[in-house]
Amino acid sequence: GDSVTQTEGLVTLTEGLPVMLNCTYQSTYSPFLFWYVQHLNEAPKLLLKSFTDNKRPEHQGFHATLHKSSSSFHLQKSSAQLSDSALYYCASGGSNAKLTFGKGTKLSVKS
Amino acid sequence: EAGVTQSPRYAVLQEGQAVSFWCDPISGHDTLYWYQQPRDQGPQLLVYFRDEAVIDNSQLPSDRFSAVRPKGTNSTLKIQSAKQGDTATYLCASAPGTDTQYFGPGTRLLVL
Repeated sequence: GDSVTQTEGLVTLTEGLPVMLNCTYQSTYSPFLFWYVQHLNEAPKLLLKSFTDNKRPEHQGFHATLHKSSSSFHLQKSSAQLSDSALYYCASGGSNAKLTFGKGTKLSVKS
Repeated sequence: EAGVTQSPRYAVLQEGQAVSFWCDPISGHDTLYWYQQPRDQGPQLLVYFRDEAVIDNSQLPSDRFSAVRPKGTNSTLKIQSAKQGDTATYLCASAPGTDTQYFGPGTRLLVL
């Protein structure tokens, strides 16, 4: 079946430094890739979704590029903010709408 | 627009007890999903519906878990005879067709 592998555990950054959270996937087809963000005691919210035409999705300063050759969809931001502290999940999904999530990466941004 | 709502928000049970979780999806969303999210893990799909029909329940422990969506709107997930291993957050999500899924706040279950 499909699987998603993320940078595991906790990533701690100082405010203003760049963010990069890794995500790679395995699938027998070409899935859509997603990044969801989950703040403490809140529901996961969609942050980014890959495009079919290779455009780079961007939202709230975050972006991610789907590289089919390396099966990756890493999340990046040029300058971390304190409010970016949260859990980040990478997920893959196909036309049947089933999502497979990674284990999540906890991002902690400190001043 | 109202989001996905779930109740209760928290539940604490002894092993062997039963519990039901309720989900009200976003109006007009025909697809509804139930996920189990153990502590420190990503959500794992249990079952999903298109209208009132179960599309995939292959990951639902059928001996103790059941899920229904009788009118194609609200849904109930029930655990008979809960076990400590069922301790997790149970998330409901809805979507228009196969488009983006929107998640509810979840029900945090603790089985003692």
